[in-house]
Amino acid sequence: DIQMTQSPSSLSASVGDRVTITCRASQSISTYLNWYQQKPGKTPKLLIYASSSLQSGVPSRFSGSGSGTDFTLTISSLQPEDFATFYCQQSYDNPWTFGQGTKVEIK
Amino acid sequence: QVQLVQPGAEVKKPGASVKISCKASEYTFNNYRIYWVRQAPGQGLEWMGRIDPSSGDTTYIQRFQGRVTMTRETSTSTVYMELSSLRSEDTAVYYCARGRSGSSNDYWGQGTLVTVSS
Repeated sequence: DIQMTQSPSSLSASVGDRVTITCRASQSISTYLNWYQQKPGKTPKLLIYASSSLQSGVPSRFSGSGSGTDFTLTISSLQPEDFATFYCQQSYDNPWTFGQGTKVEIK
Repeated sequence: QVQLVQPGAEVKKPGASVKISCKASEYTFNNYRIYWVRQAPGQGLEWMGRIDPSSGDTTYIQRFQGRVTMTRETSTSTVYMELSSLRSEDTAVYYCARGRSGSSNDYWGQGTLVTVSS
């Protein structure tokens, strides 16, 4: 199975900050990389698919980049509603494995 | 609006089985695979497997092989996931999610909390 490693596991940031989360795959996955946001007690929500494509309805402050093994999710200006846990997921090969998650908390 | 509707909760004893439904609406059922993902309390997301509603073909993660069965009922646009020989470690929220072309899960059910306890 392809292993996905996110860093950091958690971070504290303030409203308005630029936040970057990284995800590394154990082998090349081209651009088959997705990002999800999950708020406590809620269902995961697709933010970014195919590494850099913004899902319909997702604010443009979210962006993704990368290919091969290294990927990044960036929130350009953190908003109060963005505090959540973020997961990367590879869909290059079965099983579609997830990273362990990055919890973004209020500083 | 695309919807995937799941039951809210199930309580089972160790050794029992649970069968969770996922009813799809507002899209062409046969055109999208359904994936099952679980999340233990306070933990991350774990992919369990998927089913192609048009053919019934399934793919399961290795560690659930022999314990999980995914089926579909096209007449009602419903997918089922059955997990047998339940143990306390199977206590989790189980989500179904639609897999769209381009390889991502764009719509998710609300999740079914399965509690395994004696």
